[in-house]
Amino acid sequence: GAVVSQHPSRVICKSGTSVKIECRSLDFQATTMFWYRQFPKQSLMLMATSNEGSKATYEQGVEKDKFLINHASLTLSTLTVTSAHPEDSSFYICSATDSNYGYTFGSGTRLTVV
Amino acid sequence: GNSVTQMEGPVTLSEEAFLTINCTYTATGYPSLFWYVQYPGEGLQLLLKATKADDKGSNKGFEATYRKETTSFHLEKGSVQVSDSAVYFCALRERGGSNYKLTFGKGTLLTVNP
Repeated sequence: GAVVSQHPSRVICKSGTSVKIECRSLDFQATTMFWYRQFPKQSLMLMATSNEGSKATYEQGVEKDKFLINHASLTLSTLTVTSAHPEDSSFYICSATDSNYGYTFGSGTRLTVV
Repeated sequence: GNSVTQMEGPVTLSEEAFLTINCTYTATGYPSLFWYVQYPGEGLQLLLKATKADDKGSNKGFEATYRKETTSFHLEKGSVQVSDSAVYFCALRERGGSNYKLTFGKGTLLTVNP
């Protein structure tokens, strides 16, 4: 079946630094990728939607200059948290879909900013 | 806009008990409906889905029927196991549109005790 690899699974960084999270579709071409943020004991909050080769569409309230999303190919999207602060600590999950409308989720990235 | 309302958790059951997690939705069109499961520290996995009214999705002993008249998609399992302990998310995808994003409920934590 479809597999999405998300890396790293855990990362700890210092305040003020930037962190990049990768999301790869391993065996299908992802026309659209989604980035979610999940707070403890809460649902997934959609941050942005990205289509290959075009700018990401951000949800209301999400700072696009802070959460940089790049979808340069049909198999790779990256989320960069710039100038991270402790309040950015969270669980980030990507999801990829192809033209068959199936959604496959990555295993998530636990970001801790100290 | 679209929305999904899920039964508030947490839900705690004994092994072999009957499970119901309620889910109702609001959508402008005729959405596809999904149940996802999230095990601790992991991403989401598709549990089952239904794409039109009266469809029944089923997988691993779980079932849910798409009820258009009550706008519901309740999740049921006749006999839960300890390994079913996880967070369950109900979700919908509106038909049409260019991004096919999912709208999630808040999630229901299920704990099954031996």
